[in-house]
Amino acid sequence: EAAVTQSPRNKVTVTGGNVTLSCRQTNSHNYMYWYRQDTGHGLRLIHYSYGAGNLQIGDVPDGYKATRTTQEDFFLLLELASPSQTSLYFCASRLRLNYAEQFFGPGTRLTVL
Amino acid sequence: QEKVQQSPESLIVPEGAMVSLNCSFSDSASQSIWWYQQHPGKGPKALISIFSNGNKKEGRLTVYLNRASLHVSLHIKDSQPSDSAVYLCAVSSGGSNYKLTFGKGTLLTVTP
Repeated sequence: EAAVTQSPRNKVTVTGGNVTLSCRQTNSHNYMYWYRQDTGHGLRLIHYSYGAGNLQIGDVPDGYKATRTTQEDFFLLLELASPSQTSLYFCASRLRLNYAEQFFGPGTRLTVL
Repeated sequence: QEKVQQSPESLIVPEGAMVSLNCSFSDSASQSIWWYQQHPGKGPKALISIFSNGNKKEGRLTVYLNRASLHVSLHIKDSQPSDSAVYLCAVSSGGSNYKLTFGKGTLLTVTP
């Protein structure tokens, strides 16, 4: 089964702080995704990538940057964190074109004070 | 933009009951529809998907898709306490199915 890991699992920062969330998948999947999950909104797509060096904008990108350094690694950057970015963040990966199943990591809970 | 709505928001059933979860979507060109299960503190995990009109059965799960009415349902037979979780409906769209749009989920509680 596809393996997606995330770090850290929990993070607390202050308003204006810098945060980097990390995601690694070890199944050579081409597509990787970052989501946030909030009560009342469900899962919302922030950014995604279809390969190293590629970045695509999702549905709620404001305040977030992302970088895909290798096939395996996808990072989400919050350069000036705000309390509105307090959320549960999930990374996911997808195997191939025309097959939509995504495999999710365990999530990172971020609190911005 | 694709919209996905799920009902009910929450559901409590006794062990052994049949569970029915509903999902409606807005884009008739949507390709496949997925149901994900999410336990507390875990990431979502795909359970079953459907592409063509009609139904698909896998074990205790059956999914029904009606593209004309833009509606899909998930039925869980002989529910177990371990089925207690949030169930997410997700609709694929975009070229090459690149994107999944998720509903807000249904919280299912199965009581022993």
